Amino acid sequence: GQSLEQPSEVTAVEGAIVQINCTYQTSGFYGLSWYQQHDGGAPTFLSYNALDGLEETGRFSSFLSRSDSYGYLLLQELQMKDSASYFCAVRGDDKIIFGKGTRLHILP
Amino acid sequence: GAGVSQSPSNKVTEKGKDVELRCDPISGHTALYWYRQSLGQGLEFLIYFQGNSAPDKSGLPSDRFSAERTGGSVSTLTIQRTQQEDSAVYLCASSHLGGSQETQYFGPGTRLLVL
Repeated sequence: GQSLEQPSEVTAVEGAIVQINCTYQTSGFYGLSWYQQHDGGAPTFLSYNALDGLEETGRFSSFLSRSDSYGYLLLQELQMKDSASYFCAVRGDDKIIFGKGTRLHILP
Repeated sequence: GAGVSQSPSNKVTEKGKDVELRCDPISGHTALYWYRQSLGQGLEFLIYFQGNSAPDKSGLPSDRFSAERTGGSVSTLTIQRTQQEDSAVYLCASSHLGGSQETQYFGPGTRLLVL
């Protein structure tokens, strides 16, 4: 079967760094994506990794290790507006599979 | 259009009624996805279109659910004989396949409430 695992909740302090992990099991692999969703809003694209290593986009970075079927999203200099749910998604074969999401709580 | 649009934005219906949800993808996007999201939950894949064909219908929860896409553009998700457990946000996304990066662009969703 195909599955993605990510923590259901993570809590961090404003200004700090937080890492959200994602492990996957899919038939075929073409890339790992991360999406952000604020309450009441639609998911929006954050990053994409097709090759091993770290991709950096401003305060957000995403890492992939295909040999470990593992990736993570790294958020630096946390701001209150970063409070949201974060979904990892893997493209395998003909479709994209989403994880159940990680709810990020940020404390002032 | 500039983004993915969905209609209606909200729908309240009575149990047993049929509903139709519409998705207008970004112009030129060949791939279209339907997802369902219950309150506080993750995204549940329903169906995927490549052009007008649906190579993957594995996520449709029952035969009360059907979807079609015409002209490689607009898609309609139909739920027959709605049940209370069908209440959720139905999200549509589109993407342009061809490159190595497939970013999905989501619409605002249709919030369905079955009474």
